[in-house]
Amino acid sequence: GQQLNQSPQSMFIQEGEDVSMNCTSSSIFNTWLWYKQEPGEGPVLLIALYKAGELTSNGRLTAQFGITRKDSFLNISASIPSDVGIYFCAGQGSDYGGSQGNLIFGKGTKLSVKP
Amino acid sequence: DVKVTQSSRYLVKRTGEKVFLECVQDMDHENMFWYRQDPGLGLRLIYFSYDVKMKEKGDIPEGYSVSREKKERFSLILESASTNQTSMYLCASSSGGWSSPLHFGNGTRLTVT
Repeated sequence: GQQLNQSPQSMFIQEGEDVSMNCTSSSIFNTWLWYKQEPGEGPVLLIALYKAGELTSNGRLTAQFGITRKDSFLNISASIPSDVGIYFCAGQGSDYGGSQGNLIFGKGTKLSVKP
Repeated sequence: DVKVTQSSRYLVKRTGEKVFLECVQDMDHENMFWYRQDPGLGLRLIYFSYDVKMKEKGDIPEGYSVSREKKERFSLILESASTNQTSMYLCASSSGGWSSPLHFGNGTRLTVT
């Protein structure tokens, strides 16, 4: 079935640095979503992308839906300690042969920010 | 705001016990989902439901069953818990089409000893 490769697996950065993470697939997706999960909580939606080439911002976060529809990236500018958590990408593809229409999640990027 | 509530944050059960994980959402969402989350494996879909009394297998349904008798409630059942079912379980709901974003509960950390 379809798979998402999310990288990096983890990042250790200094407060104030910019962060970049991405997800790639060999399959085409129609929707890309980015979630953040803080310790002890469920994932929370950060940004949703519905169109190839779309670039969307949410505060210090920016995400793009790749033009090939096979990738997406998330950037965080000027990181702060509360950015700590696990970031997940999720994609939905029309040709997914498994549970029809359901999301496929990347394995997550664990972000640590040193004050 | 959508609220998805999972009845227990932590559960400890013995091997062979029957375990019920409960999830309730308050936004009249049609779709509900159960995932398990394990380090290095991300989120894996166990079962989902798009309507009352309807259920569909996800990617890893073995050892689990579900029940959706009311629209707002989706229960995950472990008929005979095993140690390899020790995990974080996340419930989610969504409305409308499949591209609608999921709203997650805070998770139930289940330990089977």
